[in-house]
Amino acid sequence: ETGVTQTPRHLVMGMTNKKSLKCEQHLGHNAMYWYKQSAKKPLELMFVYNFKEQTENNSVPSRFSPECPNSSHLFLHLHTLQPEDSALYLCASSQARDRPYNEQFFGPGTRLTVL
Amino acid sequence: AQKVTQAQTEISVVEKEDVTLDCVYETRDTTYYLFWYKQPPSGELVFLIRRNSFDEQNEISGRYSWNFQKSTSSFNFTITASQVVDSAVYFCALSEARDTGANNLFFGTGTRLTVIP
Repeated sequence: ETGVTQTPRHLVMGMTNKKSLKCEQHLGHNAMYWYKQSAKKPLELMFVYNFKEQTENNSVPSRFSPECPNSSHLFLHLHTLQPEDSALYLCASSQARDRPYNEQFFGPGTRLTVL
Repeated sequence: AQKVTQAQTEISVVEKEDVTLDCVYETRDTTYYLFWYKQPPSGELVFLIRRNSFDEQNEISGRYSWNFQKSTSSFNFTITASQVVDSAVYFCALSEARDTGANNLFFGTGTRLTVIP
């Protein structure tokens, strides 16, 4: 148990659905991340939040919309997805204050299938 | 630009054998950080180690050891006397240095290790 939880663990949705992924960290960290893991590709960083402010958006399509209401919670809102968006979506958190480096601690991921 | 290469896509070993997972990185930064993560079938990435670019000391933790060589830009990971529970995908990652704030991790494509009983 790394202290980062994600719900749901599995999600199947149609291309016209709207759904949300939730991530919660219990580690007192101040930075949170969304990654996409597709088969045979490196993990792709999607979004970074530091102290609730978005600091990185790696050219992610607008059909993915992140929300970070506080340092402990992170959401990824999904709308009008494509089948190629099917992947494992991983959330991570880290302590970014006063450190130039940081281990990121990951949740178990949400396995998303878009039909 | 940062890049991490894990040339070994899949490795199979018989239990109790030693195995080394290779990692080669590229960066123009003089200060950077290297990581290894383990991803078991459950999907969660488990942090194993962080190494700073200015600290080339090798490290041993139980059956795990890491060999950091700046001259060859490599950060290899060895498991001694492998066990079935070591079966997982292992990722090497590189982080640039920033004064404060969240860092980006650049991951390799991973090496799938299968330990055969």
